[in-house]
Amino acid sequence: DADVTQTPRNRITKTGKRIMLECSQTKGHDRMYWYRQDPGLGLRLIYYSFDVKDINKGEISDGYSVSRQAQAKFSLSLESAIPNQTALYFCATSTSGDYEQYFGPGTRLTVT
Amino acid sequence: QQPVQSPQAVILREGEDAVINCSSSKALYSVHWYRQKHGEAPVFLMILLKGGEQKGHEKISASFNEKKQQSSLYLTASQLSYSGTYFCGTDYSGSARQLTFGSGTQLTVLP
Repeated sequence: DADVTQTPRNRITKTGKRIMLECSQTKGHDRMYWYRQDPGLGLRLIYYSFDVKDINKGEISDGYSVSRQAQAKFSLSLESAIPNQTALYFCATSTSGDYEQYFGPGTRLTVT
Repeated sequence: QQPVQSPQAVILREGEDAVINCSSSKALYSVHWYRQKHGEAPVFLMILLKGGEQKGHEKISASFNEKKQQSSLYLTASQLSYSGTYFCGTDYSGSARQLTFGSGTQLTVLP
């Protein structure tokens, strides 16, 4: 079984709709991240959380919100989706004692 | 600021060597390297810390020039499995709270 799972894996939605992407992990890690990947731009950090009560904005948080429901769950919401939010979204986890980030399989989101 | 990776793309034949560079205009505490194969998630390769310490899984080598704020990843005797996009992530804070990734270097190894 995968250690970091993301749902849905693919989603097509319309402009203005609210959408939630979910991330779950069984690695027991305390740190979780949401990244966005666009062709030619690499990975850009949206939000990160170092424990349930610690939520921090990344470099491109505008238009997004997050919720850390439990240590193992970290959700990303687009309150009102717009076409330029079309991208591949990755969740990642790590521990405070290790630098390595473990990425989920990604969610491909298309906003029409 | 996003680190600059070079080259943007490189094509090799099996057995050839390649160097991928990552440069920053700001002082770095550490550089993290990841590889992403087509259609897959990025996978950690190694980290280079200020002071010379390195940690990683793979049998690859890298350098970190603290004076120049540059890191280089050395892929020697490349194999087909090395194909993918390589990203460097830079830590400017020293706590690895937030990595800033470069735009990637696409490496293709041909038979």
